[in-house]
Amino acid sequence: NAGVMQNPRHLVRRRGQEARLRCSPMKGHSHVYWYRQLPEEGLKFMVYLQKENIIDESGMPKERFSAEFPKEGPSILRIQQVVRGDSAAYFCASSPALGRNTDTQYFGPGTRLTVL
Amino acid sequence: DQQVKQNSPSLSVQEGRISILNCDYTNSMFDYFLWYKKYPAEGPTFLISISSIKDKNEDGRFTVFLNKSAKHLSLHIVPSQPGDSAVYFCAASVEYNNNDMRFGAGTRLTVKP
Repeated sequence: NAGVMQNPRHLVRRRGQEARLRCSPMKGHSHVYWYRQLPEEGLKFMVYLQKENIIDESGMPKERFSAEFPKEGPSILRIQQVVRGDSAAYFCASSPALGRNTDTQYFGPGTRLTVL
Repeated sequence: DQQVKQNSPSLSVQEGRISILNCDYTNSMFDYFLWYKKYPAEGPTFLISISSIKDKNEDGRFTVFLNKSAKHLSLHIVPSQPGDSAVYFCAASVEYNNNDMRFGAGTRLTVKP
């Protein structure tokens, strides 16, 4: 049973380009969460999605960032017109359902985005 | 707004001794707390959790203590092993809204043989 998969593992972009980060949840999981880890900081919640629905995007910057989780295919975190401050590790987690225990979130290995 | 704080960025312990990792929080609405362990180039993995109705939860070598009045929790690892060397993140959530976990900055634990 494959775990949460993220690709690419490393992504380099120049300022102004677009970055697309993909996350395939664990089999049977219908909930996806995106987190960002800036250097020397903890993981920060960005967005929570179910299939075809954004449930909570309170942690996501209002501009340039968007996320989707289509009926088919992986969840995508999209960053338009990247800036150097977007350089971070982006982690995706999945869970089977929004249960009462948050320990059911399983994390992927992360995508390290570097903006030149 | 750093609602969850891990004030020690690093900790070094001798193999076989106890490791104590600390975490403080400011939001009194938090009622569920977790510890995650992270190896380099991997995502965090869940380690142990505790609900605010308890003050202690034990799982093998790992014990988490919660002091609600002090808004403080700690993770004890005993005996520490070299394989425990990793970054440990403390996380907290309000259980009804548990998709918004708040993480601390992490503590890098090094266990020396």
